[in-house]
Amino acid sequence: NAGVTQTPKFQVLKTGQSMTLQCAQDMNHNSMYWYRQDPGMGLRLIYYSASEGTTDKGEVPNGYNVSRLNKREFSLRLESAAPSQTSVYFCASSVTDSLYEQYFGPGTRLTVT
Amino acid sequence: ELKVEQNPLFLSMQEGKNYTIYCNYSTTSDRLYWYRQDPGKSLESLFVLLSNGAVKQEGRLMASLDTKARLSTLHITAAVHDLSATYFCAVENNAGNMLTFGGGTRLMVKP
Repeated sequence: NAGVTQTPKFQVLKTGQSMTLQCAQDMNHNSMYWYRQDPGMGLRLIYYSASEGTTDKGEVPNGYNVSRLNKREFSLRLESAAPSQTSVYFCASSVTDSLYEQYFGPGTRLTVT
Repeated sequence: ELKVEQNPLFLSMQEGKNYTIYCNYSTTSDRLYWYRQDPGKSLESLFVLLSNGAVKQEGRLMASLDTKARLSTLHITAAVHDLSATYFCAVENNAGNMLTFGGGTRLMVKP
């Protein structure tokens, strides 16, 4: 039981490049979330998926797209990366769309130059 | 818009001392969460507070929630070095679909 896994762990992009961050959970959770954490700050919600087949915007969705591929997997895509998207990205999951007991992945550290 | 403020932002304390971290939030909510983050690591759930007056304790940490005052506290008793980490509170919105995080309190416990 690996919990929430994220790939890659680190990534460096040039401005304008695109990439997809992958997240998978093996806990049979219904809801999944993408957050970003900037230095010295708390997490901010980018997008979430309350259940398979649904996605909704969070606090800071601009510049990102998401796909809930199946119950296990939730990906985050940067179509044209910008230096302002340099951050640590965390994926999380929870049993239901209630936020009780949200489990976090290890994070992806992204630098955009 | 829900805003969450923690203070202090940084706390350096000696082992054996007590201290309290405060989490204030701006709009009505009945649910609040505390997390711990070690440097370079992910977040670990510490406490889930689901109603007014809720109190949870685990080891040297105790969290409480006063929804009327829109305030949660995380009290540290007889601090030890292993408690050094950044602590975040997060408040659930009324729709129950989003958490807003505070800016974190970086705790350093010195021998």
